[in-house]
Amino acid sequence: SQTIHQWPATLVQPVGSPLSLECTVEGTSNPNLYWYRQAAGRGLQLLFYSVGIGQISSEVPQNLSASRPQDRQFILSSKKLLLSDSGFYLCAWTPGQLNTEAFFGQGTRLTVV
Amino acid sequence: AQSVAQPEDQVNVAEGNPLTVKCTYSVSGNPYLFWYVQYPNRGLQFLLKYITGDNLVKGSYGFEAEFNKSQTSFHLKKPSALVSDSALYFCAVRDITVGTYKYIFGTGTRLKVLA
Repeated sequence: SQTIHQWPATLVQPVGSPLSLECTVEGTSNPNLYWYRQAAGRGLQLLFYSVGIGQISSEVPQNLSASRPQDRQFILSSKKLLLSDSGFYLCAWTPGQLNTEAFFGQGTRLTVV
Repeated sequence: AQSVAQPEDQVNVAEGNPLTVKCTYSVSGNPYLFWYVQYPNRGLQFLLKYITGDNLVKGSYGFEAEFNKSQTSFHLKKPSALVSDSALYFCAVRDITVGTYKYIFGTGTRLKVLA
């Protein structure tokens, strides 16, 4: 069966420090991968998605970037964190077909101090 | 553009009573609709989806949803609420625009089931 792993679960980082959040999927190949951010326990904001290695679509211009160095690995990065980057970050994957649901990781709570 | 709306920020219901969490959608073409639940500090869990077929869709944990094309709605329902159903619920639609692969989520509805 397919599983998605996201780590770390919580992270406290100082302003100006770099960020790297990792997400991996097991048990499938060529998934579509997504990074969402959730602020204040409410709506989801789509940050990036990827349909293949090296293919990244950015939804919102900001202080973050994403990379997909391997088929089942999706990384969210920042060179210098801002206070406004704090939030709950969620990784998700889908098989790609229109009628399939997305499967989410457990999330990373990032606090920038 | 595809979109979903959840008009209620919070829904309160007594344990044992039926619950409804509302969702309306706006799509061009046939909608692909989903419901998810989120517990505190956790990822979203898939509950059910409507792709085609019967308008009443049954899902996990006793939840069901009714697709209504004329009212462009996809309300989540449960006949008898449990305290453990208290959580944040999201409606979502798959963007079917050619070349996109996005899932568009509503703003979420917080369900509180009172003992």
